[in-house]
Amino acid sequence: GESVGLHLPTLSVQEGDNSIINCAYSNSASDYFIWYKQESGKGPQFIIDIRSNMDKRQGQRVTVLLNKTVKHLSLQIAATQPGDSAVYFCAENLLRNYGQNFVFGPGTRLSVLP
Amino acid sequence: NAGVTQTPKFQVLKTGQSMTLQCAQDMNHEYMSWYRQDPGMGLRLIHYSVGAGITDQGEVPNGYNVSRSTTEDFPLRLLSAAPSQTSVYFCASSQREDGEIRETQYFGPGTRLLVL
Repeated sequence: GESVGLHLPTLSVQEGDNSIINCAYSNSASDYFIWYKQESGKGPQFIIDIRSNMDKRQGQRVTVLLNKTVKHLSLQIAATQPGDSAVYFCAENLLRNYGQNFVFGPGTRLSVLP
Repeated sequence: NAGVTQTPKFQVLKTGQSMTLQCAQDMNHEYMSWYRQDPGMGLRLIHYSVGAGITDQGEVPNGYNVSRSTTEDFPLRLLSAAPSQTSVYFCASSQREDGEIRETQYFGPGTRLLVL
C-alpha cells in the first residue's frame, strides 16, 4: 500500500499490550483536538476528540488525555490489535475559526507485533 | 451515504499540464477543504470553503484554484503542474453539530498525483 510517511516516528507494541501515542501541539490558544487514524492507502479516519475544558475523554478502547500546561496530547489504545496498525495524527483547532485552522502533527506509525 | 468521494484515484501529469481533482460529499456539510500530504509531514491545508460561493486560502495555496458552486462539490484545479505538486491530495468535509461544538472532518480516500 501507499506509504503516508517515510520518516515517521514508529511505535512498536506487542499484540494485547496497551499503546500510548504522544503529540505536542503548537498553539496554546487551541481549544479543540482530534486524533485520526490513517491506514495505508486510505484517508484519515476520526477516532476521538476532546475540548480544552476537559483533560480526559474515553471511547471504545481509546482514551485521549490533554495537558494544556505543557501543550501535550496523548492517545491510549487498550489491548492493541493487529487492526490498530496505522499512522496516527493529532490535529488542533480553534473552535471559533469554524473549520479554518486545523493543524495536523506529522504523525506516528503504530506497528503491532504478533 | 457515500460520504466523501474523490476522483481520480491516481494521476500522472507532465510539468505544465493542468487538471482538476474532483471532490463530492453527500452529507450536506457546509465546510469542505483540500489538504496535501507529503512524506514525513502532516496534512497541510490548501484551500477551504465554509459554504457555497465562499472559498479562502489555506497554508499552501499557490498553484491551486478552487470553486464552490454547490454544497456538494469542491473541485481543486492545478493550473500548471510542477514536480513540487507531487503529493497525495485529500478532500474533507465537516459540519458543526448542534448542542455540542464538535467539528469532525470526514476525509475522502485521496488522489495520488505524480508530476513528471
